[in-house]
Amino acid sequence: EDQVTQSPEALRLQEGESSSLNCSYTVSGLRGLFWYRQDPGKGPEFLFTLYSAGEEKEKERLKATLTKKESFLHITAPKPEDSATYLCAVRDVNDYKLSFGAGTTVTVRA
Amino acid sequence: GAVVSQHPSRVICKSGTSVKIECRSLDFQATTMFWYRQFPKQSLMLMATSNEGSKATYEQGVEKDKFLINHASLTLSTLTVTSAHPEDSSFYICSARDLDAASTGGGYTFGSGTRLTVV
Repeated sequence: EDQVTQSPEALRLQEGESSSLNCSYTVSGLRGLFWYRQDPGKGPEFLFTLYSAGEEKEKERLKATLTKKESFLHITAPKPEDSATYLCAVRDVNDYKLSFGAGTTVTVRA
Repeated sequence: GAVVSQHPSRVICKSGTSVKIECRSLDFQATTMFWYRQFPKQSLMLMATSNEGSKATYEQGVEKDKFLINHASLTLSTLTVTSAHPEDSSFYICSARDLDAASTGGGYTFGSGTRLTVV
């Protein structure tokens, strides 16, 4: 069974204070690892898909990296508008369902 | 980009009544639709997967007679919560598999969610 564990559960940052979120996963074979942003009362918003170890993707202040066991979402010089819950999900090669982690709630103070 | 329109965004119903939630894929055909529920400060839990024109596949522990899923067309899927009770109060989210969006949206497009409150 696929397992996804995210840490920390919550992260409080000062504006400009860079940090990283972790997503550890267990799958029989990785078809893709997904990062989403979710604002309160809204559906997840797609950020990145990573497919193989060593892959990196960037979007504005966010950078996602992938190893064979985990992924990191780096937030560089965050702004208050980066406050959200960040969800990690994996897709197994044997299925097309996504398995989600519990998320990391990021709060950025001005 | 691909959009999934989900309605209603909020609904309050009395215990014992049924509620229908709709998800429509705009500008693309959703051959597969996923339905999730999310409790406060918890992650998305997959309830069922539906393919157009066939019966939905429910995850273990999800009552198929209580959560009726219909995916009669390539652009519309519905989730009906039958005989709703307060413990069914939750945030319900649909997601459509969009193969054309694989490179830009990861291949999965989510609705905006429905907050169901059963009183």
